[in-house]
Amino acid sequence: AQSVTQLDSHVSVSEGTPVLLRCNYSSSYSPSLFWYVQHPNKGLQLLLKYTSAATLVKGINGFEAEFKKSETSFHLTKPSAHMSDAAEYFCVVDDGGGYNKLIFGAGTRLAVHP
Amino acid sequence: DGGITQSPKYLFRKEGQNVTLSCEQNLNHDAMYWYRQDPGQGLRLIYYSQIVNDFQKGDIAEGYSVSREKKESFPLTVTSAQKNPTAFYLCASSIAVGLLFYEQFFGPGTRLTVL
Repeated sequence: AQSVTQLDSHVSVSEGTPVLLRCNYSSSYSPSLFWYVQHPNKGLQLLLKYTSAATLVKGINGFEAEFKKSETSFHLTKPSAHMSDAAEYFCVVDDGGGYNKLIFGAGTRLAVHP
Repeated sequence: DGGITQSPKYLFRKEGQNVTLSCEQNLNHDAMYWYRQDPGQGLRLIYYSQIVNDFQKGDIAEGYSVSREKKESFPLTVTSAQKNPTAFYLCASSIAVGLLFYEQFFGPGTRLTVL
């Protein structure tokens, strides 16, 4: 069965410094992977997705993620944090059952300090 | 503007009452989904529907019911059988082309509180 583990429940950075949100996945096949962002009391917005094309995926708002099969990781990065990046981030894997069922990680709350 | 609307944004219910959450999309998406979100947890799938008049249980369907009479609409009823209904409920939709599904788009959510 597919699963996803977000290694940090909270991450705190200063504005202008790099962001790293870590995600490991478990899958018996080549998965589709996603990062979504959720601002307080809002719905989720897709940041980026990996679907077996380029292993380095660029998303919106300067975020990118690298698919590393050997490490079963899909970490999210951004070179320079902005105050507006403060939110909850979810790493997500497609469960492979053919019905687009998504399996969500528990989330990482990113705090950005001035 | 195309998108997904959920209403109401906040909903209060007394114990023992059924309540229906609305989800409407004008994206012409085939598939629709309902998720539940609890504090400190990821989203969990309640029900999903690939086409009109068809839907399947997700991981936590007990105490919930849905209908899919129109492509644009996928209402969720939280019944009195749901033991702990207080949560944030999110609706999503996606394109389906054959067996291929594309990323899910989410509505703004409904926060349900049972008093």
